Amino acid sequence: GENVEQHPSTLSVQEGDSAVIKCTYSDSASNYFPWYKQELGKRPQLIIDIRSNVGEKKDQRIAVTLNKTAKHFSLHITETQPEDSAVYFCAALYSGGGADGLTFGKGTHLIIQP
Amino acid sequence: DGGITQSPKYLFRKEGQNVTLSCEQNLNHDAMYWYRQDPGQGLRLIYYSQIVNDFQKGDIAEGYSVSREKKESFPLTVTSAQKNPTAFYLCASSPTGWGSYEQYFGPGTRLTVT
Repeated sequence: GENVEQHPSTLSVQEGDSAVIKCTYSDSASNYFPWYKQELGKRPQLIIDIRSNVGEKKDQRIAVTLNKTAKHFSLHITETQPEDSAVYFCAALYSGGGADGLTFGKGTHLIIQP
Repeated sequence: DGGITQSPKYLFRKEGQNVTLSCEQNLNHDAMYWYRQDPGQGLRLIYYSQIVNDFQKGDIAEGYSVSREKKESFPLTVTSAQKNPTAFYLCASSPTGWGSYEQYFGPGTRLTVT
């Protein structure tokens, strides 16, 4: 089955700086890679995703890059703000059009220092 | 994700008792999922269902059971056979079909078994 590794487990950056979180996956058939943000005690919220036919996707201060050859994908957050503090999870799945469960990384606790 | 509800928010049970967690969605999604989250860990897939009256085991199905009698509902029963049932349980749903991959989460149920 799929295995997703996520690094680092904790990331502390100064407000206004950029943050990068990296994930690797094992199954070359995986074709969908979402990123979720989870605040303490809350549900995970989908913030951005990328499909295997795209190398990069951007949404305001957030971007995701995908390298299918190396089987890794990354989340980039620019101009970080205090409200970006949360746990971020990457995930992967192979979807053939039906229902498929996501395989998650173990999460990165992002801390924005004022 | 506002169309997915889980109840109750907190649940306390004695060891040896079965307990059923509720998940309802009004998004008209075909697929529904149950994940378990432990402190400092990512989410792990318990069961998923693509269609009414059909469901598949995920990575950690032992000690759990589900049913899918209605499209809107996917209850999870945590049985006494589950060795470590205390966790945060998250239900999700998604459309199916090519290009429909996004999974949206409910608010979760925090189960404590003593």
